[in-house]
Amino acid sequence: GAVVSQHPSRVICKSGTSVKIECRSLDFQATTMFWYRQFPKQSLMLMATSNEGSKATYEQGVEKDKFLINHASLTLSTLTVTSAHPEDSSFYICSARTGDSNQPQHFGDGTRLSIL
Amino acid sequence: GEDVEQSLFLSVREGDSSVINCTYTDSSSTYLYWYKQEPGAGLQLLTYIFSNMDMKQDQRLTVLLNKKDKHLSLRIADTQTGDSAIYFCAERGPSGYNKLIFGAGTRLAVHP
Repeated sequence: GAVVSQHPSRVICKSGTSVKIECRSLDFQATTMFWYRQFPKQSLMLMATSNEGSKATYEQGVEKDKFLINHASLTLSTLTVTSAHPEDSSFYICSARTGDSNQPQHFGDGTRLSIL
Repeated sequence: GEDVEQSLFLSVREGDSSVINCTYTDSSSTYLYWYKQEPGAGLQLLTYIFSNMDMKQDQRLTVLLNKKDKHLSLRIADTQTGDSAIYFCAERGPSGYNKLIFGAGTRLAVHP
């Protein structure tokens, strides 16, 4: 149980393109979803927290206009990297949680984004 | 502020036990987690422990929590090559706190 599916797994695109990443909870309802960014050989950096039907809460230093998050249903959240540039290249990972904050987060397999 | 620290690298022989250590600073942490990350993949929840517990065992995994010293450890018995990965320790703050604070991860290398 508690499977989180993230697509695509890898994206390579040109600078200036907008890229959408999907995060789905397959067998549970995700009241809260989280988006992380991970640089090579480093830990995860939380970008934003989204609750279904609400606006996302962004961490300090994360541009909300650059990283658009939509959590339209209890099983789907999307992260759109707008007008991506090479410095946005990274590994993006989502996680989902059901219920309250006592419940653990379950992670997707991540998306490797490479901007040329 | 919250901080979680782990040693960066551990090398063990196949069949031996591995012990990965973690220290944290927030004494009000309610849950502490261990996640495993294989190359190019997301994080897999291995186990977690509530702050009022001292120990939790699940098959080959044993988690020990020393709340006084704010020290958490993960012991993997009979370590196999498939256990080679990065292991992240994470803490969650007081009840109702949303965020997880992750350590930098410990890279476990298992050799024959």
